[in-house]
Amino acid sequence: AQSVAQPEDQVNVAEGNPLTVKCTYSVSGNPYLFWYVQYPNRGLQFLLKYITGDNLVKGSYGFEAEFNKSQTSFHLKKPSALVSDSALYFCAVRDTDYKLSFGAGTTVTVRA
Amino acid sequence: GAGVSQSPSNKVTEKGKDVELRCDPISGHTALYWYRQRLGQGLEFLIYFQGNSAPDKSGLPSDRFSAERTGESVSTLTIQRTQQEDSAVYLCASSLRGAQALRGEQYFGPGTRLTVT
Repeated sequence: AQSVAQPEDQVNVAEGNPLTVKCTYSVSGNPYLFWYVQYPNRGLQFLLKYITGDNLVKGSYGFEAEFNKSQTSFHLKKPSALVSDSALYFCAVRDTDYKLSFGAGTTVTVRA
Repeated sequence: GAGVSQSPSNKVTEKGKDVELRCDPISGHTALYWYRQRLGQGLEFLIYFQGNSAPDKSGLPSDRFSAERTGESVSTLTIQRTQQEDSAVYLCASSLRGAQALRGEQYFGPGTRLTVT
């Protein structure tokens, strides 16, 4: 089965600083990778995806992610974090035609 | 347009009671998913409905869990004889069939927080 791992439970950064949320994957074949964000008391929102093509993927709210095949990673990045980016972030990989396998999540706290 | 809605938003129940959770998907979305999110853990796939096809129930943790969906509309997740380990947030998601589902673009509801005392 396909899987992803998020090695950090929490990430703390100051507003204006770069933000990175790490994700590594384990798949057979070509991976379909995703990032979702969950704001407090709200459902998950799709941020971005990598299917094929450019290794740098741009998504919503100024986020981007870099697909690195040699390191089997798909880290989420934002050049300048905002307090409003504080949320729970999930990396996911397509497990079947319709099923996603999610990581355990990383809580991001951006302090003013 | 309306997104995915779930009810109730919170449910506290006593151990041994049955509970029913409801999901209204986005209109026109043929695919519907239920997930469980335990505290500090990722999303755990429970069940998948696609149109009139047989659902994928492979993620249901025990026979106390069941789900129904009428056509391409509302779905209900039922937990019988609830146990304390059932306490979690239950999330519903929907997507269009085919390409959108393949691209992993699932639209999630706000969830139902279930607490079993």
